[in-house]
Amino acid sequence: QSALTQPASVSGSPGQSITISCTGTSSDVGGYNYVSWYQQHPGKAPKLIIYDVYKRPSGLSNRFSGSKSGNTASLTISGLQAEDEADYYCSSYTSSITSNWVFGGGTKLTVL
Amino acid sequence: QITLKESGPTLVKPTQTLTLTCNLSGFSLTTVGVGVGWIRQPPGKALEWLGIIYWNGDQRYSPSLRSRLTITMDTSKNHVVLTVTNVDPVDTATYFCAHRPSSWYTLDYWGQGTLVTVSS
Repeated sequence: QSALTQPASVSGSPGQSITISCTGTSSDVGGYNYVSWYQQHPGKAPKLIIYDVYKRPSGLSNRFSGSKSGNTASLTISGLQAEDEADYYCSSYTSSITSNWVFGGGTKLTVL
Repeated sequence: QITLKESGPTLVKPTQTLTLTCNLSGFSLTTVGVGVGWIRQPPGKALEWLGIIYWNGDQRYSPSLRSRLTITMDTSKNHVVLTVTNVDPVDTATYFCAHRPSSWYTLDYWGQGTLVTVSS
């Protein structure tokens, strides 16, 4: 299956809010409420920040929020901070009989 | 505390078979619903889903790599093994294993990753 579609890059100033989109199909993003978002700093492993479209792991800042409409999921980061600068990946469960997950192409967030 | 750690060769020659081990701690792969997935990331590129093995031995693989991948588990040793046959330089990547919790459709804990280079 094809990777989910994300913008290559987004940017924002400290304190602002940004939104990253993740577009799939009715077989993945649109078909299930099982979208996750991961944050990855250079040289580090991905870190789960959102699961089941909008849920946050325990202890994670509420500046991170998720939503979904149709085949497109979104990650919003409010009150941007310098440490938010990282790569962000979406992922979705998929109904493919041969696979269970699909990832997005990633989005580089730059905090200006 | 759940931790995962990948291990294996750092350099593999083209056409050889790559074998990576993911050592698990803090959870058991015999717990109903639990899974361990494999994901890779070529240098400077995006994450790529490879496959997953579940507590009951069920496996799922990326359609594009299915013919070359095998994921197995050894519950007595509490580890999961990924095998990639007939490797090519395009398989050069950091390989991650990750924990799939029993109640959620996500990967909540990741290993640190291990960089594998395919070169003659």
